[in-house]
Amino acid sequence: DVKVTQSSRYLVKRTGEKVFLECVQDMDHENMFWYRQDPGLGLRLIYFSYDVKMKEKGDIPEGYSVSREKKERFSLILESASTNQTSMYLCASSLPLSGRGDTQYFGPGTRLTVL
Amino acid sequence: KNEVEQSPQNLTAQEGEFITINCSYSVGISALHWLQQHPGGGIVSLFMLSSGKKKHGRLIATINIQEKHSSLHITASHPRDSAVYICAVLPLGGGADGLTFGKGTHLIIQP
Repeated sequence: DVKVTQSSRYLVKRTGEKVFLECVQDMDHENMFWYRQDPGLGLRLIYFSYDVKMKEKGDIPEGYSVSREKKERFSLILESASTNQTSMYLCASSLPLSGRGDTQYFGPGTRLTVL
Repeated sequence: KNEVEQSPQNLTAQEGEFITINCSYSVGISALHWLQQHPGGGIVSLFMLSSGKKKHGRLIATINIQEKHSSLHITASHPRDSAVYICAVLPLGGGADGLTFGKGTHLIIQP
């Protein structure tokens, strides 16, 4: 079974702190994704990566950065956390996108609260 | 820009009822996914469709590519089916940023 793990289920941080969210997958997937999920807005893509050291902006990259130094690990970084970044953060991974699309496997999510 | 619309947004039904959740999208796609999210956040993939129909247990997913529409059906619904169901599509050509998601349908099955 594919396993995608995230470093924390719940996290509380203060405004201005630097926050690291870690995601690890064990299926040698090339693609990894970071989403945030907010009520009424659904899942929105923040960043994705299709290879080590490669990254692409998604729909809402502002205020975030990412790091992919190893294939299995994709980190989301909030450089200076703000209250509007309070959200559920979900990581996913998949094999390379083909014309038919590939299933994304999701982690359990990290509920981040910024005070 | 690809839009994915789901209906209804919220659905409450009694145990045993037949449930239908709809998903419409605006551009050509190469695949459509149905996802299930239980309280607590975990998301699992139920189906990936590019044509026709798939069945898994009490769940059935259909897609009509020409009409840009998909439905997820649950037969003999049970309280454990209570979850948010999310439709996601992959535009033709892969799409530079992967899937586009609907906002989800919050389903509650009452005993």
